[in-house]
Amino acid sequence: ETGVTQTPRHLVMGMTNKKSLKCEQHLGHNAMYWYKQSAKKPLELMFVYSLEERVENNSVPSRFSPECPNSSHLFLHLHTLQPEDSALYLCASSQEASGGLATNEKLFFGSGTQLSVL
Amino acid sequence: DQQVKQNSPSLSVQEGRISILNCDYTNSMFDYFLWYKKYPAEGPTFLISISSIKDKNEDGRFTVFLNKSAKHLSLHIVPSQPGDSAVYFCAASGVIHSDSGGGADGLTFGKGTHLIIQP
Repeated sequence: ETGVTQTPRHLVMGMTNKKSLKCEQHLGHNAMYWYKQSAKKPLELMFVYSLEERVENNSVPSRFSPECPNSSHLFLHLHTLQPEDSALYLCASSQEASGGLATNEKLFFGSGTQLSVL
Repeated sequence: DQQVKQNSPSLSVQEGRISILNCDYTNSMFDYFLWYKKYPAEGPTFLISISSIKDKNEDGRFTVFLNKSAKHLSLHIVPSQPGDSAVYFCAASGVIHSDSGGGADGLTFGKGTHLIIQP
């Protein structure tokens, strides 16, 4: 148990569906992340929220939309996805200092949501 | 263009022997390196880290070595145990700055090496 909980664990959706992934952390951290793990590829950073402020990541298609209502919760809203978006989506959290200098660079990951887009 | 590379997709080692996992990086601005371990159906968990001001960090059976001039790090596990069978990810730290001056750590990961410990 890492203190980071993701739901659902598995999700199958059609290309026209809208769904949301949820992440909750119980560690009191102030930064949260979405990572994508595709087969035979490195974990790719999608979005970062630090102190509830989103740090832009321009390489992510707009069909992925993050939401961070507070420091403990993070969502990833999905709509009109493509089959190539099928992957393991991992949420993580960390405790970061302000001013751009991280004092604790350890990420705590959830178990992930295995997403299949048909 | 991969900034963190793990060139061995898999590695098989006999129980009790030393496991050596390698990682290379290209970005000289990285100043903190981490190893994560991942079991099937679980998220990665932090294993050990090293700052660029050091060349070695040891924690029990796990030792990480850093060669800055070669932009290379390695993870040594000795003696290897069956429970060490997992995928190991090398990661490098780069701080992402927000407009307000705050920062968060977006790690850059390698593809991982699947370590198999044979009895």
